[in-house]
Amino acid sequence: GEDVEQSLFLSVREGDSSVINCTYTDSSSTYLYWYKQEPGAGLQLLTYIFSNMDMKQDQRLTVLLNKKDKHLSLRIADTQTGDSAIYFCAEKTGGFKTIFGAGTRLFVKA
Amino acid sequence: GAVVSQHPSRVICKSGTSVKIECRSLDFQATTMFWYRQFPKKSLMLMATSNEGSKATYEQGVEKDKFLINHASLTLSTLTVTSAHPEDSSFYICSAPSGGATNEKLFFGSGTQLSVL
Repeated sequence: GEDVEQSLFLSVREGDSSVINCTYTDSSSTYLYWYKQEPGAGLQLLTYIFSNMDMKQDQRLTVLLNKKDKHLSLRIADTQTGDSAIYFCAEKTGGFKTIFGAGTRLFVKA
Repeated sequence: GAVVSQHPSRVICKSGTSVKIECRSLDFQATTMFWYRQFPKKSLMLMATSNEGSKATYEQGVEKDKFLINHASLTLSTLTVTSAHPEDSSFYICSAPSGGATNEKLFFGSGTQLSVL
């Protein structure tokens, strides 16, 4: 079945880079997303990548996609305390549903 | 980006009552909206797809008589939790697709925390 998995927790020091990893199972996925959720709030779309792309960069954010291994990563350069949140990986499947991972809680230490 | 407004943000109700949650697309039209449920420290679970002008499509295991969805217009979808019970307590989030070449971007409301006593 369709599934998205990601590690549950990541802790980094302020100023370091954060790398959040995700794996998915649907080989026919069309788009892959990264969302950010702060406590008690909805999800904010950070960035997304079309499945035929390998990389996308948007300011401090770099998304890498390895379609062969069905692996997606989000790199946040110069991580700040304001980046502390839960980050969700999601895929838009061939059936047009969007499936989410369980979220990675990023904790940034000052 | 597009704005999705969800109301109320928090509701506390007694067991057996019904609760209505509204989801509005403020600056775009949405023929489709999605309703998710999120448990603490868990992922979002897709409950149903709301379709303007037709019946909602429910995911397996979601009771359609329990979670009534109405997509009254191109900018409004509502989720009514009927005869709520404590196990219905959860964070409910709506979303709508907009933008990009194929409406691939999914924008979310701010969520509704439902607590059933």
